[in-house]
Amino acid sequence: QVQLQESGAGLVKPSETLSLTCTVSGFSISSGYYWGWIRQPPGKGLEWIGNIYHSGTTYYNPSLKSRVTMSVDTSRNHFSLKLSSVTAADTAVYYCARLSSSGGVGYWGQGTLVTVSS
Amino acid sequence: EIVLTQSPGTLSLSPGERATLSCRASQSLSSSLAWYQQKPGQAPRLLIYGVSTRATGTPDRFSGSGSGTDFTLTISRLEPEDFAVYYCQQYGTSPQTFGQGTTVEIK
Repeated sequence: QVQLQESGAGLVKPSETLSLTCTVSGFSISSGYYWGWIRQPPGKGLEWIGNIYHSGTTYYNPSLKSRVTMSVDTSRNHFSLKLSSVTAADTAVYYCARLSSSGGVGYWGQGTLVTVSS
Repeated sequence: EIVLTQSPGTLSLSPGERATLSCRASQSLSSSLAWYQQKPGQAPRLLIYGVSTRATGTPDRFSGSGSGTDFTLTISRLEPEDFAVYYCQQYGTSPQTFGQGTTVEIK
């Protein structure tokens, strides 16, 4: 059974960098699939941040592209998100996910709330 | 970016009733449309992909249809566990985008 678990700081100061890691169990990242990050501000809808393939190929949402960096570590079976220069608007639940080969997001982490505040 | 507009914002229905949720795209989509269910405090769950294909474990009371710019999720007979928020998503054109959601609440 594929499981994803987000980890990282739950409180980040404005202008600093948000860093999250998604640890995958039950499946080897190097076996394929696109892996992604999606966020959801409290009480609001979903926003796609970007995807990364096991080779390191990335696709970012243009609205966040200048601040986003994703990476993958196949030896540790995890992938990571960095979002720089954060503001209160970046406060959200951040989900890591595995995209389905047929379409859509088939597996989600439980989500982690990141609050941007001084 | 493709904008997805869901309607209605809230649907108030009773168990056993039929629910019809709409998702309209700002430009024509291929078959790259999915539907998700989200309950409070949980991650979304994939229900439908490819417009009309049920994901593993999705009950057959859920069905998806549509083409071009207009898509529909139908729940034939609402069960108590179906009261939740539903999102559509297009994944065929980058950036992937989601609708703003429809809340199905108990009347």
